[in-house]
Amino acid sequence: EVQLVESGGGLVQPGGSLRLSCAASGFTFSDYYMNWVRQAPGKGLEWVSHISSSSSTIYYADSVKGRFTISRDNAKNSLYLQMNSLRAEDTAVYYCAREYVDALTYYYGMDVWGQGTTVTVSS
Amino acid sequence: SYEVTQPPSVSVSPGQTASITCSGDKLGGKYAFWYQQKPGQSPVLVIYQDRKRPSGIPERFSGSNSGNTATLTISGTQTIDEADYYCQAWDSSTVVFGGGTKLTVL
Repeated sequence: EVQLVESGGGLVQPGGSLRLSCAASGFTFSDYYMNWVRQAPGKGLEWVSHISSSSSTIYYADSVKGRFTISRDNAKNSLYLQMNSLRAEDTAVYYCAREYVDALTYYYGMDVWGQGTTVTVSS
Repeated sequence: SYEVTQPPSVSVSPGQTASITCSGDKLGGKYAFWYQQKPGQSPVLVIYQDRKRPSGIPERFSGSNSGNTATLTISGTQTIDEADYYCQAWDSSTVVFGGGTKLTVL
């Protein structure tokens, strides 16, 4: 079964740090690009970060640039999001999602999502 | 920064056709993607590259994209289609989501 499972969420004080993980199974992880997408309580989807299959290309939303770092370990079938200098507005459910990108760099959409992990930033 | 805009809500009667729009500058020159999200669940990709359906998505879901507007169309809408729908596009090195449209089937 194709599956993504996030972990690492929790309650953290403003200015603190957290490291989210996303464990992939049921597919060849190294063939896929990956994204982190978050959803604040009662709000819409907000893209956070994107990493190519080989980690050669990484993008961030302006709202997290300089504070968050995306990485992956293809040998461990895992995706990570290191979050530093957390703010109240980072409170959200964080999803990891896979995306197939072909050799011509055509994107095929985020077709598999995890169940999400909740991050709450509060004192 | 690039933005795409969706209507906050759309209502449709069961069996009728629902259309949800997504507007952005020259959006027709980019690929549009659509996601369905039901309460308490993770998003599901229903349309990719403007008009393609992933495996397992019913044929009643279709998409188009031209000019400044992408449209998700649900033909013969069913009560199970009631959900939030988000459009998404890539602009340069950024993924952009629309604000979401709540589809009510009544």
